[in-house]
This record gives sequence, C-alpha cells and structure tokens, in this order.
Amino acid sequence: KAGVTQTPRYLIKTRGQQVTLSCSPISGHRSVSWYQQTPGQGLQFLFEYFSETQRNKGNFPGRFSGRQFSNSRSEMNVSTLELGDSALYLCASRPSAGGTEAFFGQGTRLTVV
Amino acid sequence: KNQVEQSPQSLIILEGKNCTLQCNYTVSPFSNLRWYKQDTGRGPVSLTIMTFSENTKSNGRYTATLDADTKQSSLHITASQLSDSASYICVVSEFGTGANNLFFGTGTRLTVIP
Repeated sequence: KAGVTQTPRYLIKTRGQQVTLSCSPISGHRSVSWYQQTPGQGLQFLFEYFSETQRNKGNFPGRFSGRQFSNSRSEMNVSTLELGDSALYLCASRPSAGGTEAFFGQGTRLTVV
Repeated sequence: KNQVEQSPQSLIILEGKNCTLQCNYTVSPFSNLRWYKQDTGRGPVSLTIMTFSENTKSNGRYTATLDADTKQSSLHITASQLSDSASYICVVSEFGTGANNLFFGTGTRLTVIP
C-alpha cells in the first residue's frame, strides 16, 4: 500500500506570492490533516478535512486555506506569503475521523525569500 | 490548557549507550499517547502507542513507559545506533475524533555519534 504522498518536496517562493501544496492520502483513508512544522514551534495543526468537509481548524490566519476532493486528495493554499511562512508542511492521513494514528507524508519544505 | 512538554530539547550520546527521553502532558481527558520518530527531512513515523491501562510497551530497542497518574511518559532507547539519530515527538490524544484532539510536543533531537 502506498504511503502518504506530498508534492512538491521543495518550494522557493517570494513574499507576496501564493502557493498550493498537494497531499494524496493512503488509499482508503478519508481524513487528511495539515501541519506546519518549524524548529522552535514543533508541529502546529492547520486544519483537517474529512469527506470533502473541513472538520477542524487551528489558529492560523485566513491566508491559509485548504480543500479536499472526492478521491480524498487534499490541497493546501497559502496566499500573500510572508517570510514567517517558511516551514516544513506535513500532511497526515487517518483511516477515519476517529483513528488516532496519523500517517505522515514526507512533507513539503517551503522557503519564502 | 492541553499541553505536551518534552525534555531534553536535544541530546548527544555515544553509539552503544542508552538514553531516556521524557514527556509530560496536561491533556485531559486522556485517550492515548504515541511516540513518533522523525528522521531529518522525513515525516514522523509512529513507534509505540500507550493507552491509559498500559505501563510499558516495547518495540525492539525502544521501550515506552506511561504513568497516567503523574501524566508522564518516557522513551528509553537501548544500545543506541547511528540510525537512531532523529527527532522524537510525543503526541497525546484527547478523547474525541478530530485531528485537533492530538497534541504534539516540540520533540527531542537525538544525535548518536560514533
């Protein structure tokens, strides 16, 4: 069974631009959640999607948005990029909304210059 | 406020030595606690899961303990290897079905040197 796939692996963007990250969950998994990881903060929860609906949302500004498609693939969009958005963005999938083991992708390393 | 704190922040040990990482939490109501290993540039991978009634659980050279009364957990690594160099993240689940019911520690960065 293929794992969680995130694309692209690396991105360099300039301030003010927008970016879209993609996540394909493990086949059969319907819950996809997104996290921002920075050295000092650890993993910060962005949002979770289940069956194409956003179920939960963390404390991030509205510049961070996402969506989930009928095949459970998810995208995350960040508009008007700031230098502080530089981070590793991790996607995790779970078999159902109640499963506690999150299976993580390898992440997308975003650098904003 | 639900929080997970890990110590130490970083640790350097010689290959072959043992080490213990700590995790203290205030998450309530408690569901379970997982330790994840994150290699550099990779996503975290689950090592162990502990529920309320479990005190000890092993996975090869990794042994996790849980004291639900004091809300503390430890991860003991025996006979360390160079491949153990990674960040170890403690994740505590609160009762509930959402991803926002998962609380992450900031991790311990372990470096094993030859």
